[in-house]
Formats: sequence, C-alpha cells, structure tokens
Amino acid sequence: DTGVSQNPRHKITKRGQNVTFRCDPISEHNRLYWYRQTLGQGPEFLTYFQNEAQLEKSRLLSDRFSAERPKGSFSTLEIQRTEQGDSAMYLCASSSTHNYGYTFGSGTRLTVV
Amino acid sequence: TQLLEQSPQFLSIQEGENLTVYCNSSSVFSSLQWYRQEPGEGPVLLVTVVTGGEVKKLKRLTFQFGDARKDSSLHITAAQPGDTGLYLCAGAGNNDMRFGAGTRLTVKP
Repeated sequence: DTGVSQNPRHKITKRGQNVTFRCDPISEHNRLYWYRQTLGQGPEFLTYFQNEAQLEKSRLLSDRFSAERPKGSFSTLEIQRTEQGDSAMYLCASSSTHNYGYTFGSGTRLTVV
Repeated sequence: TQLLEQSPQFLSIQEGENLTVYCNSSSVFSSLQWYRQEPGEGPVLLVTVVTGGEVKKLKRLTFQFGDARKDSSLHITAAQPGDTGLYLCAGAGNNDMRFGAGTRLTVKP
C-alpha cells in the first residue's frame, strides 16, 4: 500500500470554474476525512465518511462544496463556482478509528485566480 | 478561533539547543496527537497519547499528555536542522481530530 494518494497535487483555476479533487485512502481504512488548510493555520475539518456514508459536514462546507465516496473506497471533493477565498491546500486523511493516527495525503493546492 | 491553542507560534533556535512547545485547551480529549508538516506536504503523525500524565519518547522528542487530558507538550533535545517544520497538535472530537494552528520551528545550523 502506498499510503493516501491525492490528485492533482496542484490546480490553478479561474474564478467561477468548477474543480474536482480525488483521494485514494489506505485500502484497509474505512474512515476518510477532508480538511482544508490555509497559510498560517492548522487543518480545518470539512467532512468525514465512514465507508460510503457521509456522516458529518462542517459549516465551512457551503452548498458549493460536495463530497462523495461512492463505493467506500476513493473519494472526490467538488467545488462549484470557485471563489478566490477557496484558495487553500485541501487535505485528505484516512484511518481505521476516529481518535487514533490519521494518515494524510500530500494534499491538493488550489489557487483561484 | 482554534479549539487547541499552540505556543509559541514561531520558534527559531540554533542547532543543539533544547526547546518545548505547548498545546492547550479548555476541552478534555480522549486522545491527542502530534504531527509534523513540511511545506507542500500533508502532516505526518509523530505520536498519539491517550492516558492522562502519559509520557512518550521518540528518539530526541518527548511528548507529555496533561493529567486532566486538556493539554500536552513536546520537548526536543539537541535540535537539528532536520527538525525544522510545522508541529501540529490535534485532539479527538466526536468523529474526527481537530487541529491547532501549529508551531513553526526553524533550527539553524
């Protein structure tokens, strides 16, 4: 297993465009998390899946954001009608329990111009 | 506002010095984790502490969980340039981990 994989690593998009990111977690992990990190801050929780069920969504996740994990394996995070304030590093993590170590991917850095 | 407050926010020291960084909260956590993050990469787990008063050592790094499980410290002995990075603490919420803003450590050769 090569760990948590995120694609793409970098994305530059024009304001108003839609973007989609992908996360492939560690195969044995049934929990998958999306976080967002801006400069000078720690990761902020966005949403979490247990298998294919999306069990919690942060208030940070506006209606322009949607996440899926269709078969309980990989996950996608889509941002519609991007805004400059969406520029951030989007991190995916997976784990087998909620309170022990997460394995993070390398993140997708989004720049909205 | 962050649920977990980390201090100091920035720390710059010379190689060979010792340092301690802190993670404080008013909340009680079932577990607390420390991560190290390098620029352009995701955080990498260093340690998980679970029991109040627990001390864990990882080579030159010593982690302590407060007796009341509300705070933690990370002590590095004889820091090296390779220790440079963002040190994040995270506490277990109901379903996920919540992070502090981190301490950015620079160790100069």
